[in-house]
Amino acid sequence: EVQLVESGGGLVQPGGSLRLSCTASGFTFSDYSMNWVRQAPGKGLEWVSYIRSSSSTIYYADSVKGRFTISRDNAKKSLYLQMNSLRAEDTAIYYCARESYGGTWEIDYWGQGTLVTVSS
Amino acid sequence: QSVLTQPPSASGTPGQRVTISCSGSRSNIGSNTVNWYQQFPGAAPKFLIYNNNQRPSGVPDRFSGSKSGTSASLAISGLQSEDEADYYCAAWDDSLTGWVFGGGTKLTVL
Repeated sequence: EVQLVESGGGLVQPGGSLRLSCTASGFTFSDYSMNWVRQAPGKGLEWVSYIRSSSSTIYYADSVKGRFTISRDNAKKSLYLQMNSLRAEDTAIYYCARESYGGTWEIDYWGQGTLVTVSS
Repeated sequence: QSVLTQPPSASGTPGQRVTISCSGSRSNIGSNTVNWYQQFPGAAPKFLIYNNNQRPSGVPDRFSGSKSGTSASLAISGLQSEDEADYYCAAWDDSLTGWVFGGGTKLTVL
């Protein structure tokens, strides 16, 4: 069974930093690209960042570019999101999400999410 | 403001068929396939439709998808009370080099 478990969320002051982690199990982590997707309270889904299986390609949403850094450790089956210079508008549930290729690309599995609250 | 446009709400009575639209542009829906997700309050999104009209294992055939040009639709037939949830469309955007989502449609079963 595919499982994605996020951790590292919490309350942080504006301008602060936080590092999210996602631990994968139930599949060969090193074969899959991964994403972070967030959801502000009462709002819709917003894609944050993408990393290829080998870390060779990385993309960011404009809203986080220059502030967030995605990375992975395939040996530890883990995905990370380093978040710096946090703003109130970064407050959201952050989901770790697997991307699969079955003829086309799709995000197929999501973790349960970890809540990040940016407030003074 | 979401890149993909969905109606904020939809409704139907049990047994009815409802459709949810998703409008995009050439760089996303016009160039790539569309996926749909179902989300219940307090839960993570669940994979519902991929490659415009394919259902992952375990998704009832009451759910179907279609795509034409830069628009897509999700149809739910034989509506059931347990279908009451938020529904999101998604597609890769070649210009933004990232996933884009619709704003979500809250489905109410009357």
